[in-house]
Amino acid sequence: AQSVSQHNHHVILSEAASLELGCNYSYGGTVNLFWYVQYPGQHLQLLLKYFSGDPLVKGIKGFEAEFIKSKFSFNLRKPSVQWSDTAEYFCAVGGYNKLIFGAGTRLAVHP
Amino acid sequence: GAVVSQHPSRVICKSGTSVKIECRSLDFQATTMFWYRQFPKQSLMLMATSNEGSKATYEQGVEKDKFLINHASLTLSTLTVTSAHPEDSSFYICSARDPRGNSPLHFGNGTRLTVT
Repeated sequence: AQSVSQHNHHVILSEAASLELGCNYSYGGTVNLFWYVQYPGQHLQLLLKYFSGDPLVKGIKGFEAEFIKSKFSFNLRKPSVQWSDTAEYFCAVGGYNKLIFGAGTRLAVHP
Repeated sequence: GAVVSQHPSRVICKSGTSVKIECRSLDFQATTMFWYRQFPKQSLMLMATSNEGSKATYEQGVEKDKFLINHASLTLSTLTVTSAHPEDSSFYICSARDPRGNSPLHFGNGTRLTVT
């Protein structure tokens, strides 16, 4: 079955702390992987995506993610978080149109 | 700025009534739009794929007679929740992809539906 698992539902960090959000997937066929972010009161926005090539993907706002095929993982990282990173983060896998989303991780960053 | 506009952002209706949600692509034409539903603390679930000029494609378990989708133009898709019940209360999100170039899906702001 196709699925996406995000291990952390809530994460609380202080500013300047490092962040890693886990994402594991189960998917048949060519894997396209995405991380979306939803800031409070705003729509979903794409942070970064992986289609092929370099498994370490750089996204906006200092985020990056690494695709590890052997572990079926696509973890999101940021070396130093800011208060403005407070948001909900969704990992997704799928084809270009049809996406399967994880349950989301709510990140709260305290000043 | 937003490239997919969804309206209304919030709606409260009584049981048994119908509610229409609109999804517009603002600066591109979308032959295909997607409707997702999100329950509290759960992931977004694809409900249906809206196809301009033809019938929508529904995911397994989604009642097509309850969730009517109309994609009458290249920039507008509507989702109508018919005879709404409290269990239909949820967050509905539409998305569309700009066919020009290699762009990802764009999402609307979502609609919070509460059925009393």
